[in-house]
Amino acid sequence: QKEVEQDPGPLSVPEGAIVSLNCTYSNSAFQYFMWYRQYSRKGPELLMYTYSSGNKEDGRFTAQVDKSSKYISLFIRDSQPSDSATYLCAMSGDNQGGKLIFGQGTELSVKP
Amino acid sequence: GAVVSQHPSWVICKSGTSVKIECRSLDFQATTMFWYRQFPKQSLMLMATSNEGSKATYEQGVEKDKFLINHASLTLSTLTVTSAHPEDSSFYICSAGLSSYQETQYFGPGTRLLVL
Repeated sequence: QKEVEQDPGPLSVPEGAIVSLNCTYSNSAFQYFMWYRQYSRKGPELLMYTYSSGNKEDGRFTAQVDKSSKYISLFIRDSQPSDSATYLCAMSGDNQGGKLIFGQGTELSVKP
Repeated sequence: GAVVSQHPSWVICKSGTSVKIECRSLDFQATTMFWYRQFPKQSLMLMATSNEGSKATYEQGVEKDKFLINHASLTLSTLTVTSAHPEDSSFYICSAGLSSYQETQYFGPGTRLLVL
């Protein structure tokens, strides 16, 4: 079993839809949770960073962390074609030496 | 802020040659940089952790003599792929952590390597 599981998709939605992306993990020591967006042939771009449990909102993006269920989510409201990319969850803990453990990434396509 | 650059952005080389990739943090000092490899439609695979002024720490299965890493300053780390072979063709990405928040990493744009 992988430490971080993420459905690779692809996920296709119409423009304006609410997108829900999820990851589950097995290591209870993880307490730093991130979402990255990666466009084709580009490096990942940090979207959201959350420490421990709770919600964080930034514009159309909301990140949720449920440590009791070992489950994290990223919601995208009013999705746009420019949101089409691969979304990677990543996480770490104090015992990881700064290393990030990535999910496989979910490929999202927002159709106009 | 928190910009990381990589050079070159793509490179084509002949089998048996060595290729050097540079990773620079442009507007912050990074005590730790990370090197990843990514195959098409797959996630990032951590190759090594690079600390300024000390030897890099390689992940299991990564050949340290093939992938030479040097972290000479707080803003520059280099990855040299020695005696490259076609199976080394991949997308190589570096990242750098802000000194105080190592868990938050900022990634370079990546270098696409094609070995003929």
